Amino acid sequence: AQTVTQSQPEMSVQEAETVTLSCTYDTSESDYYLFWYKQPPSRQMILVIRQEAYKQQNATENRFSVNFQKAAKSFSLKISDSQLGDAAMYFCAAVPGTYKYIFGTGTRLKVLA
Amino acid sequence: DVKVTQSSRYLVKRTGEKVFLECVQDMDHENMFWYRQDPGLGLRLIYFSYDVKMKEKGDIPEGYSVSREKKERFSLILESASTNQTSMYLCASSFPTDPTGELFFGEGSRLTVL
Repeated sequence: AQTVTQSQPEMSVQEAETVTLSCTYDTSESDYYLFWYKQPPSRQMILVIRQEAYKQQNATENRFSVNFQKAAKSFSLKISDSQLGDAAMYFCAAVPGTYKYIFGTGTRLKVLA
Repeated sequence: DVKVTQSSRYLVKRTGEKVFLECVQDMDHENMFWYRQDPGLGLRLIYFSYDVKMKEKGDIPEGYSVSREKKERFSLILESASTNQTSMYLCASSFPTDPTGELFFGEGSRLTVL
């Protein structure tokens, strides 16, 4: 079975500090995409960052970056200089084929002022 | 800006009622999806549609049906609501020609079945 695991139900980070959210996945496909989505309280889910599995280079979007370890099937999200607006539920997802998103259970990130 | 609109943010229904959840997107996307979000379970796919009048079952289709009469609109139907269908329902859409398949989500519909 193809799975995505987020082992941290909740994390906290001090404003301006760095936090890493963990994600591991399991797929037998050779080509796939990996995503992190953010769901702010009472607001719609939005894409944070994506990674193509065949690319070695880790994706970066401003303060957000990933640590993609293909052999270990690990895809963690690092948030630098955390801001209050980063407080949200974060979902890791794998897309091993068209349409077939597999989501993790989510990590709730709290940002402390 | 991309827009996916879900008709109701909050609904309260009684057991046995028929429930319609509507979703409209303005991006001309072929693909549309209905997910159910529950704490500790993440997002689970109920149904998806890749074209008008086309649909496929997702991972948890039991107790649900869908309708897609027009490209921009995708409706989720609970024929006879039950308490175990109390949940957050998320609609999403995407471009099939986008190889990454990025999903664009609505704000969600929180359904409570009493």
